[in-house]
Amino acid sequence: KAGVTQTPRYLIKTRGQQVTLSCSPISGHRSVSWYQQTPGQGLQFLFEYFSETQRNKGNFPGRFSGRQFSNSRSEMNVSTLELGDSALYLCASSPRTLTGELFFGEGSRLTVL
Amino acid sequence: GQQLNQSPQSMFIQEGEDVSMNCTSSSIFNTWLWYKQDPGEGPVLLIALYKAGELTSNGRLTAQFGITRKDSFLNISASIPSDVGIYFCAGPPRSGTYKYIFGTGTRLKVLA
Repeated sequence: KAGVTQTPRYLIKTRGQQVTLSCSPISGHRSVSWYQQTPGQGLQFLFEYFSETQRNKGNFPGRFSGRQFSNSRSEMNVSTLELGDSALYLCASSPRTLTGELFFGEGSRLTVL
Repeated sequence: GQQLNQSPQSMFIQEGEDVSMNCTSSSIFNTWLWYKQDPGEGPVLLIALYKAGELTSNGRLTAQFGITRKDSFLNISASIPSDVGIYFCAGPPRSGTYKYIFGTGTRLKVLA
């Protein structure tokens, strides 16, 4: 069974630009979560989608948004990039409808210059 | 905000030694997950715990769900060099949600 796939793995942007990251969950998983990982703040929850609906949102500004498609694939977007947005963005999918295991992808490493 | 405190923050051990680390919360959790992350990779799920007092093993790894529901423990027996990495605990502060909190991590270094 293929794992969680994230694209792109690495990208470099400049301040003010926007970026879109993509996540394909494990087949059959309908819940997709996004996390930001930085050395200073650790792993922080961004948002979670289930059946194309955002069920939970973390404490991030509105520049961070996401969506989920009918095939459970998900994208997240960050607009007006800031230097502090440099991070590893991790997507995770889950087999249960509510609380259960999270299976992570390898992440998308974003560098903002 | 709510935090999960992990200890120790880092540790050096000799190959073959046993390792213990723990994770504590200020509130009750109903699920505990333990992950290992290698540099540049995503976290890999090691063990999931769902019941207070539960003891679960995965090879040389054993994790326990504390009976107070505010802590969890991970033990690694007979450590090997590939155990090097950062170990995270995680859980949902509220039942029925995937809005998980992650611990600060325990960095493990194994000396051959």
